[in-house]
Amino acid sequence: SQQGEEDPQALSIQEGENATMNCSYKTSINNLQWYRQNSGRGLVHLILIRSNEREKHSGRLRVTLDTSKKSSSLLITASRAADTASYFCATVDLGNTGKLIFGQGTTLQVKP
Amino acid sequence: DTAVSQTPKYLVTQMGNDKSIKCEQNLGHDTMYWYKQDSKKFLKIMFSYNNKELIINETVPNRFSPKSPDKAHLNLHINSLELGDSAVYFCASSHRGRQTGELFFGEGSRLTVL
Repeated sequence: SQQGEEDPQALSIQEGENATMNCSYKTSINNLQWYRQNSGRGLVHLILIRSNEREKHSGRLRVTLDTSKKSSSLLITASRAADTASYFCATVDLGNTGKLIFGQGTTLQVKP
Repeated sequence: DTAVSQTPKYLVTQMGNDKSIKCEQNLGHDTMYWYKQDSKKFLKIMFSYNNKELIINETVPNRFSPKSPDKAHLNLHINSLELGDSAVYFCASSHRGRQTGELFFGEGSRLTVL
């Protein structure tokens, strides 16, 4: 079953602006991860936030996690045209079967 | 020095045919996966193997049969292909011992069934 719902489904911004994507999930989790997929390519892991963490940074990326609301957000600051891609959140369940369940993704277009 | 490699990248075939997709990882990971991505980009796990043992088997038609000859390889064989099998199939790997679930993906194999 699909775990995550992402919002918005599509986002178009100008270079230099910030992009915020949201993800909601249904079950209790071990951790939540964000991945990027460039058109026609495989997914690349961006950042992982554990269930006991509330915020994490990596370069221009900032991820927040609110386990009470079962939601997460990904902020990309000072976006670049090269950030154009689809972004997916994914959760690992508490049972730690290793099964990663993905949301449907947000397609981000950054216009130069 | 590709980490997770899949072949072929593109596969076009007729309904009813049988086809295979191969995957190899050189990361030393102990767990490998097959995911299916549909036309709406929805990713769904199909199978997972840990050290050659099947550990995840989602509700997938038994026309799909994974095989893992060793922990660095996971192949996917599909019998009697149907139109609905058209999708991009991704192989991925992880190190289950780290218990973080971070996956490393291949570039995908786009299957088109005519």
